[in-house]
Formats: sequence, structure tokens, C-alpha cells
Amino acid sequence: SQTIHQWPATLVQPVGSPLSLECTVEGTSNPNLYWYRQAAGRGLQLLFYSVGIGQISSEVPQNLSASRPQDRQFILSSKKLLLSDSGFYLCAWSVAGDLNTEAFFGQGTRLTVV
Amino acid sequence: AQTVTQSQPEMSVQEAETVTLSCTYDTSESNYYLFWYKQPPSRQMILVIRQEAYKQQNATENRFSVNFQKAAKSFSLKISDSQLGDTAMYFCAFMKGYNFNKFYFGSGTKLNVKP
Repeated sequence: SQTIHQWPATLVQPVGSPLSLECTVEGTSNPNLYWYRQAAGRGLQLLFYSVGIGQISSEVPQNLSASRPQDRQFILSSKKLLLSDSGFYLCAWSVAGDLNTEAFFGQGTRLTVV
Repeated sequence: AQTVTQSQPEMSVQEAETVTLSCTYDTSESNYYLFWYKQPPSRQMILVIRQEAYKQQNATENRFSVNFQKAAKSFSLKISDSQLGDTAMYFCAFMKGYNFNKFYFGSGTKLNVKP
């Protein structure tokens, strides 16, 4: 069966510090991968998506970047965090090329920038 | 771009009663898929139900059913016999029916089931 792991679960970082959130998927190959942000009282905003290794598309301009160094690994990064980067970050995957797929989510990371 | 709108930020329902959550979407696509996700206090996102736009029949999963009105671009979720465990945030989502699967989500409705 497929599983998705996302870590860390909670993170408190000072303004201006770097960020690295990691997500890995097991039990499948060549998944579509996504990073979403859920700000307090708001919905899920799609930040990045990837259809393959090294292929990253950004949905919104921001202080964050994403990378996919391996088929089932997706990393969200920042060189210098801003207060506005605080939120709940969710990694997700779906089956590429399958219209019967759904988005499968990780447990999320609560990021607080202080 | 696709947009998904949930106009009810918060709703309450008594245990065992029925509640309907609203969702509208805007798209020029003819083939797409719609979803309702549940996010309980644990914050784990769970798929509740999905609907293919080409199917006229409304999807049903046990106590959960949808009212899909394609012309009106409306996709509401009905929860029957509400249970305390249904207390959660509910998100409506849209996915295009071709090429890459990008999922767009609404702002969510917080549902409180009262004993």
C-alpha cells in the first residue's frame, strides 16, 4: 500500500532563518506531488506541483521554493523566512495519468515564524 | 483559472440531523472531477466523496451524498444522521479531467455537530 511521510510535524523558526520541509511517498512510482499551504481561517492554497524529477511548477509568487531530487521525494525550502510564511503546510500526491485518482495527503507541518 | 467557493465559513447541526454544505465553482472545462474532503481536528485530510462531471447521477457514500448541478456549477454535500465524529473542516475541491491533475480547494466550512 502507498504511504506518505511528511516531517517535521511542528517547527518554530526565527525570521530570516532557512527552511526545509521534506515529504516522501512509498509504494508507488512517478507520482504527481504537491505542496499546499493552509493559513489560519483560509483554504488550501496550491504552492507547487511536480510531474517528475526536477520538474517543478509554481502556482503563486512567493518566498518559497520546491525541489524534487528523487522520484518520490519533494522538498519545500526557503533561504530567509518571513513572518507571513507561518501556516500549516501539506504535502500530497496523486497517481499520474489516472483520472480516477484523488489527492492523498501527509500529516502536515505547522510552521510558526517568530 | 479555476476557482472554488464555499460561502459558509461555519455551520452547526444537532446530532442525528441532516446538514448541507454548499460549494460553487467556476471553470470553462467540460470534463472535470469534484471532491469533498474532511479535515478533523487531527488535521489529516480524508476524502469523503467524489463526483465525475460526466456522470449525471449524484454520488453517494453511506451517510454522505452530493447534489451536483453542472449547469449551475454547484456541488453541495449532504450529511445525513450527523454524528459527533463528523465535526471537522470540510473542503470542496476541483480537478481538471485531463493532463496533469491539479487540485483546487475552497476556503472550507467548519462543521460543528452538537450532542
